[in-house]
Amino acid sequence: DADVTQTPRNRITKTGKRIMLECSQTKGHDRMYWYRQDPGLGLRLIYYSFDVKDINKGEISDGYSVSRQAQAKFSLSLESAIPNQTALYFCATSDPRLGGRGNEQFFGPGTRLTVL
Amino acid sequence: AQSVTQLDSQVPVFEEAPVELRCNYSSSVSVYLFWYVQYPNQGLQLLLKYLSGSTLVKGINGFEAEFNKSQTSFHLRKPSVHISDTAEYFCAVSIIQGAQKLVFGQGTRLTINP
Repeated sequence: DADVTQTPRNRITKTGKRIMLECSQTKGHDRMYWYRQDPGLGLRLIYYSFDVKDINKGEISDGYSVSRQAQAKFSLSLESAIPNQTALYFCATSDPRLGGRGNEQFFGPGTRLTVL
Repeated sequence: AQSVTQLDSQVPVFEEAPVELRCNYSSSVSVYLFWYVQYPNQGLQLLLKYLSGSTLVKGINGFEAEFNKSQTSFHLRKPSVHISDTAEYFCAVSIIQGAQKLVFGQGTRLTINP
């Protein structure tokens, strides 16, 4: 059973549409993250959340918004999708109670988003 | 701010040959270091990590990495690769005191040829 799940796994949409990507986890971790992966650029942080009431921007948050509905759920929205948001999106979790190991992040399988 | 540079975007090697994937980082404070692997059409999986202690770290699938503080490097090695090691490999750093954010390198695509 997957500990971090993402839905949908693949999505094709058109410019200007609103899109929501969802992430759920059963690991009981407080911290959740959204990244996008582009070829040659690695993974870049979009948003992160330390708990339901604590949401922070990452390095590339423009054009995105997030919602932390519960400890286990963290959604990423593209209010008006544009073609350069075509990418692979990953959700991840971590647990600060693990001390140094708490910096280790656990990743979902990814959502491949194509904006036409 | 931290940054990570993976010096090779692609590394082709023959099966059973040794391989080294290079990673250099920049940080003004102490960091934890990680290597993640992404197999085709899959998410990221932790390969190994350096938190403290011995600078030679062993991970899964026969990989190891050595932390070199003076050279700010964390190179990944395997003495004999297999076709199944074909994947993209990411080096990442996280500052010890802070928000547990990971900063990733650009990735290195390892291709194993028979």
